[in-house]
Amino acid sequence: NAGVTQTPKFRILKIGQSMTLQCTQDMNHNYMYWYRQDPGMGLKLIYYSVGAGITDKGEVPNGYNVSRSTTEDFPLRLELAAPSQTSVYFCASRELRAGELFFGEGSRLTVL
Amino acid sequence: GQQLNQSPQSMFIQEGEDVSMNCTSSSIFNTWLWYKQEPGEGPVLLIALYKAGELTSNGRLTAQFGITRKDSFLNISASIPSDVGIYFCAGQGGGAGSYQLTFGKGTKLSVIP
Repeated sequence: NAGVTQTPKFRILKIGQSMTLQCTQDMNHNYMYWYRQDPGMGLKLIYYSVGAGITDKGEVPNGYNVSRSTTEDFPLRLELAAPSQTSVYFCASRELRAGELFFGEGSRLTVL
Repeated sequence: GQQLNQSPQSMFIQEGEDVSMNCTSSSIFNTWLWYKQEPGEGPVLLIALYKAGELTSNGRLTAQFGITRKDSFLNISASIPSDVGIYFCAGQGGGAGSYQLTFGKGTKLSVIP
């Protein structure tokens, strides 16, 4: 089982550029999440989805957008990259609302 | 939003020593989870706790769900070099927003051989 797969693993963007971080899971999980991790700050929830076609904002959604057209995929879009979005991004999924959260390996984004 | 205070922020210990870290919350949680993250990887679940007072072990790791439902601790016995990493607690409430986990800021563990 591949679990949760994120691409790309590393990316450097210029200020104002756009990009999409891809996330796919092969566990048929309904719940999917995007977190960002800054040094010493733990994990902050950006957006989450409880099923295909349903998304909602987390703690730090500004500057990001998501979509959930299928159960498997949950891409995160940055429209106008800013230096404050330099971070490591983690996608995660779980089967149950209170079950174990499975993480991808992360995508390290630098905005210069 | 909900706040989780995790302590200590970092620890340097000798191989073989026991380790203790804890998390406290301003809100009641229905679930406490403990994760470990190694460099360049995503967090991996160590222990899940679903009931107040629950004490659960996973090898040398033991975690407890506090009776007040506002705290949890993780102990590691007889530490070894591969215990190095960042340990995160995470809590989930049962009301509105219960799809979300709140994470602590992490405890960075260094083990000196």
